Amino acid sequence: DAKTTQPPSMDCAEGRAANLPCNHSTISGNEYVYWYRQIHSQGPQYIIHGLKNNETNEMASLIITEDRKSSTLILPHATLRDTAVYYCIVRGGGGSQGNLIFGKGTKLSVKP
Amino acid sequence: DAMVIQNPRYQVTQFGKPVTLSCSQTLNHNVMYWYQQKSSQAPKLLFHYYDKDFNNEADTPDNFQSRRPNTSFCFLDIRSPGLGDAAMYLCATSGLSGVWEKLFFGSGTQLSVL
Repeated sequence: DAKTTQPPSMDCAEGRAANLPCNHSTISGNEYVYWYRQIHSQGPQYIIHGLKNNETNEMASLIITEDRKSSTLILPHATLRDTAVYYCIVRGGGGSQGNLIFGKGTKLSVKP
Repeated sequence: DAMVIQNPRYQVTQFGKPVTLSCSQTLNHNVMYWYQQKSSQAPKLLFHYYDKDFNNEADTPDNFQSRRPNTSFCFLDIRSPGLGDAAMYLCATSGLSGVWEKLFFGSGTQLSVL
């Protein structure tokens, strides 16, 4: 079973920041938080990942709370092309714990 | 440049007729995965190869098999497709440089069963 909880859907106005929350209250010390997104009829696409510290790349920022029980993915200036299902995934070490197990995700709709 | 290539993009088969989906990669990655994604659901891991070692998920039906003849190619065989097997099948790869290694997905093969 997925180890994360996300809202099923969110709306965001084009040009505004999109903040997507994720709860992972049972995360263990060696588990990373990953974010992927899936645009309609395409394969999932990696966005960002983190362990403890906040992370930023060209696509997004990831804010992880100090207790690591939740995180927020931030798309700073959402565009219509960011409309997709966003998956927050907790992934740990080797063996089956290292496999990417998807939860239900958040469907983000960016509107003009 | 396409890095994980799945062919065909759309596949139609008949109930009970064996079908094979293919995946190739140009990344030279050690690990290859197969996911099944039914309409409006999240991708579900079926199995993966760690080099030549096959790892099946506990709840993957026996009807689904896989082959990996070399590093670049991996196949998904459905021995007797049922109507419930209609889905998008996604192939993904990852390297072994660390637990944080990200997965690269193909565009998927949409399977219809008539």
